[in-house]
Amino acid sequence: AQTVTQSQPEMSVQEAETVTLSCTYDTSENNYYLFWYKQPPSRQMILVIRQEAYKQQNATENRFSVNFQKAAKSFSLKISDSQLGDTAMYFCAFFPANAGGTSYGKLTFGQGTILTVHP
Amino acid sequence: ETGVTQTPRHLVMGMTNKKSLKCEQHLGHNAMYWYKQSAKKPLELMFVYSLEERVENNSVPSRFSPECPNSSHLFLHLHTLQPEDSALYLCASSLGQGLPYEQYFGPGTRLTVT
Repeated sequence: AQTVTQSQPEMSVQEAETVTLSCTYDTSENNYYLFWYKQPPSRQMILVIRQEAYKQQNATENRFSVNFQKAAKSFSLKISDSQLGDTAMYFCAFFPANAGGTSYGKLTFGQGTILTVHP
Repeated sequence: ETGVTQTPRHLVMGMTNKKSLKCEQHLGHNAMYWYKQSAKKPLELMFVYSLEERVENNSVPSRFSPECPNSSHLFLHLHTLQPEDSALYLCASSLGQGLPYEQYFGPGTRLTVT
């Protein structure tokens, strides 16, 4: 079974600054995906960014980038040039990629980090 | 909106009531999911349906009963709930159960059991 840990329950950042959200995970799988999801106050969760474990290059989506350290089982999210619309709860999630395993098809989420962007 | 809708958005029910939550996806997806989101806890996967067949029941009490009549609709029937069942219930869908299929979430139903 997998576990995902987000050690920062809440964080805040000033508009236009950069913030990094932490995530660590524990797994015996060697092939998996990692995700960051964003849940704004309206509650509809959306995918922010995805990282494939077999790719060494860190994923980037506009102002969002990750620092994926496979050996350390760490997957942090960096938000650059923070905007007021980035205020949300952010979830880190793990997805095993080996078909046929007992956890296949299941997303395991962390506890979430509430990010507040201040003007 | 991401193409996954849920009704009602808010529901208050007594412990002896029977109610149903509805989820509908307009994305042509084949897999649908129910999650429970409680305060200060990770999202908990409850049920997974793939091509209208239940493929996962994550040790959920029988007072929660899912139904998937077709690939576009998913229901969660509730009866004799407990106050600790109060939570946000999220529905999600994906093109298939496996990778590389992203899950799209609905806005959730905020359930309060009194």
